[in-house]
Amino acid sequence: KAGVTQTPRYLIKTRGQQVTLSCSPISGHRSVSWYQQTPGQGLQFLFEYFSETQRNKGNFPGRFSGRQFSNSRSEMNVSTLELGDSALYLCASSLTEAAYGYTFGSGTRLTVV
Amino acid sequence: EDQVTQSPEALRLQEGESSSLNCSYTVSGLRGLFWYRQDPGKGPEFLFTLYSAGEEKEKERLKATLTKKESFLHITAPKPEDSATYLCVLQGGSEKLVFGKGTKLTVNP
Repeated sequence: KAGVTQTPRYLIKTRGQQVTLSCSPISGHRSVSWYQQTPGQGLQFLFEYFSETQRNKGNFPGRFSGRQFSNSRSEMNVSTLELGDSALYLCASSLTEAAYGYTFGSGTRLTVV
Repeated sequence: EDQVTQSPEALRLQEGESSSLNCSYTVSGLRGLFWYRQDPGKGPEFLFTLYSAGEEKEKERLKATLTKKESFLHITAPKPEDSATYLCVLQGGSEKLVFGKGTKLTVNP
């Protein structure tokens, strides 16, 4: 079966711009979560959605936001981009609300210049 | 606050040389401890879930164990294709996933 699909795979943006990343979960998975991965901080939790509702949120500024649609697809938006937002953004999906056996996508590599 | 510390940061082994990776944790209300493998440029790949102290899981050359304070990932007779970064991930009462920084394993032929 198809895995978690993230688009685009690579993105280059300028400081101050905004960006939207997309994640299509495995069919039937209702939980989608987002993570930021950087060499210095490792993987950090951004937020989790279940049935279009945000269930959990990490310690990131309000410039980072997300949403989930009725088909479980999710988008993440970052406004007023900063150089420090350059990272690999990973999306993961799961059948249930809990994180048992999350399946990750390959990520979107965002570079802010 | 839930915390995860992995050691060592990097480990080099010769093919066939068994070893263990360590994950120390503190958590309020453990819901699960997970091990993932991540290859360069890819998302993490799920390996194991452990729920309670004393539990063990095995898959091919990998075996994960759990105590009340630590988890170990034992690698028996590793092969070069086992080279990857291994991540320990904690889920406590808040249900947020907390990731360790990972152990980068290199297995030389």
